[in-house]
Amino acid sequence: QSVLTQPPSVSAAPGQKVTISCSGSSSNIGNNYVSWYQQLPGTAPKLLIYDNDRRPSGIPDRFSGSKSGASATLGITGLQTGDEADYYCGTWDSSLSAVIFGGGTKLTVL
Amino acid sequence: QVQLQESGPGLVKPSETLSLTCTVSGGSISSFYWSWIRQPPGKGLEWIGYFYNTGNTNYNPSLKSRVTISVDTSKNQISLKLSSVTAADTAVYYCAGGGVVVATCDYWGQGTLVTVSS
Repeated sequence: QSVLTQPPSVSAAPGQKVTISCSGSSSNIGNNYVSWYQQLPGTAPKLLIYDNDRRPSGIPDRFSGSKSGASATLGITGLQTGDEADYYCGTWDSSLSAVIFGGGTKLTVL
Repeated sequence: QVQLQESGPGLVKPSETLSLTCTVSGGSISSFYWSWIRQPPGKGLEWIGYFYNTGNTNYNPSLKSRVTISVDTSKNQISLKLSSVTAADTAVYYCAGGGVVVATCDYWGQGTLVTVSS
């Protein structure tokens, strides 16, 4: 059972938009930066979003992040089949003194 | 371009100590957070612990009694030791980090599968 709650799966058609939620509490998302990671099948995770809404160099602007209170959201527009992957949110939990991750969301592009 | 490479035994016997090394190339390990993260087969990510700057470490409370993370700055290496392993410790182990915020891992190694079995 993860401290951060993500939907197990989401799906949408190519070209469409999808959002993935990450719900936490004041001890984690509410007072700390959120990062998002993309894990393509058989590969290591890759940083997509950091500091809630910033994209590293090379990440297309189809990917966006936002945070409101104790929840964060990853948005992906113009879906491509190559976006099929597992997506994880992560942050620091001040009560646990630990980095925590959501359980992951599997994106299927139909 | 910063690159991370994990190395170590792929098979460890129950009750023994798992030892892995991460070699960082293309950049200095000083002044950044470096974490070990693992992923059991078919499951999600679990943070093990981090090393930061001049000796600051922090470990997952659920693993704290068994984990040691250390750094050799002369070799640009981060090491992980996990003692008294069981089958539940079977996972792909990743070295990751390079950020100034602890939960932001800019760079990841390819990961190494460690199986605990007799």
